[in-house]
Amino acid sequence: SQTIHQWPATLVQPVGSPLSLECTVEGTSNPNLYWYRQAAGRGLQLLFYSVGIGQISSEVPQNLSASRPQDRQFILSSKKLLLSDSGFYLCACPGGSGANVLTFGAGSRLTVL
Amino acid sequence: AQKVTQAQTEISVVEKEDVTLDCVYETRDTTYYLFWYKQPPSGELVFLIRRNSFDEQNEISGRYSWNFQKSTSSFNFTITASQVVDSAVYFCALRVWGQGGKLIFGQGTELSVKP
Repeated sequence: SQTIHQWPATLVQPVGSPLSLECTVEGTSNPNLYWYRQAAGRGLQLLFYSVGIGQISSEVPQNLSASRPQDRQFILSSKKLLLSDSGFYLCACPGGSGANVLTFGAGSRLTVL
Repeated sequence: AQKVTQAQTEISVVEKEDVTLDCVYETRDTTYYLFWYKQPPSGELVFLIRRNSFDEQNEISGRYSWNFQKSTSSFNFTITASQVVDSAVYFCALRVWGQGGKLIFGQGTELSVKP
């Protein structure tokens, strides 16, 4: 089964600073990859998904961007953070508990001050 | 449009009570998957169950049971004899074909089980 690594686990950044969150996956090849954000306590919002290297689909207009430079690497970035970018960011990938089950990483908690 | 609704924002029960978490979904697809995930205070999402749209059999796993009814577009989750360790946020989710197979989540139900 695959393993999803996310880092950093926790990040505190000032408004206007850049951001890079990284997700890497082990134990699978050419997976679909997803970035979700959980803001202010609960709801999980899909930000981006990727079906292959260099292929990024954006779900909502926002201050963030994503890239997939390698098969098992998915990066979430921002050039200038906003207060509203604070939240818990989760990377996900199919597999683990079944072919159609999304498995999630441990998440990166971002606080923008 | 696809949508998942968890109308119960918060539920509080006393240990050993049974509790049911409601989930209603919307989709025009005939093939889809439904899921429940648990999010304990640590934040990580833990997969609990998957159901495909062609399998309406109820499922029981220990103290957990799930009732899937296509006629009412519902996929409810019951915890029998709740325990303090069941305290968490529970998410119902829908996965459809296309659009990268993304998961669409409900807003979650925060369950608090008091001793």
